Amino acid sequence: GQSLEQPSEVTAVEGAIVQINCTYQTSGFYGLSWYQQHDGGAPTFLSYNALDGLEETGRFSSFLSRSDSYGYLLLQELQMKDSASYFCAVNRDDKIIFGKGTRLHILP
Amino acid sequence: DGGITQSPKYLFRKEGQNVTLSCEQNLNHDAMYWYRQDPGQGLRLIYYSQIVNDFQKGDIAEGYSVSREKKESFPLTVTSAQKNPTAFYLCASRGTGGSNIQYFGAGTRLSVL
Repeated sequence: GQSLEQPSEVTAVEGAIVQINCTYQTSGFYGLSWYQQHDGGAPTFLSYNALDGLEETGRFSSFLSRSDSYGYLLLQELQMKDSASYFCAVNRDDKIIFGKGTRLHILP
Repeated sequence: DGGITQSPKYLFRKEGQNVTLSCEQNLNHDAMYWYRQDPGQGLRLIYYSQIVNDFQKGDIAEGYSVSREKKESFPLTVTSAQKNPTAFYLCASRGTGGSNIQYFGAGTRLSVL
């Protein structure tokens, strides 16, 4: 079968760093993606890792270890606007399978 | 502007009624997807289509139907067989060659009267 596991909620302080972990089990794995969704909005693409290692895009970084079937999203210099749900997703050739999402709460 | 347009934004269904959610894209993408999202939950795949005139069931296809007669359009019908249709429905598309990125429409919120 296929499954993704990520924490349901994470809380952090404004200006701090937070890491959201994701483990997966799937066949036909091409890469791991991360999406952000604000309440009532549509998911938007944040980052993608096809190979092991760290990908950096501004304040956001994403890491993948294919041998461990594990990845994480790192958010630095947290801002209140980063309060949202974050989904890891496995990219296959035919479709993208999403985890249940991590709700990020940011305290002032 | 290129993108995905879903309509309507809000939809109400009466008991025993079929309703159709529209999804149109002008990104020239081959692949299109329908997801259902329940409060506080992730995205569950209903149906997907990788090419015109072809589509496959996702994880929760029962009570739903789709068509893909044109590349730009992938409507979803919620049939009366779907007993718990209240949810947020998201349409997405993906570029050719297994592109890394899925683009989403703004969603349709379906409620039962």
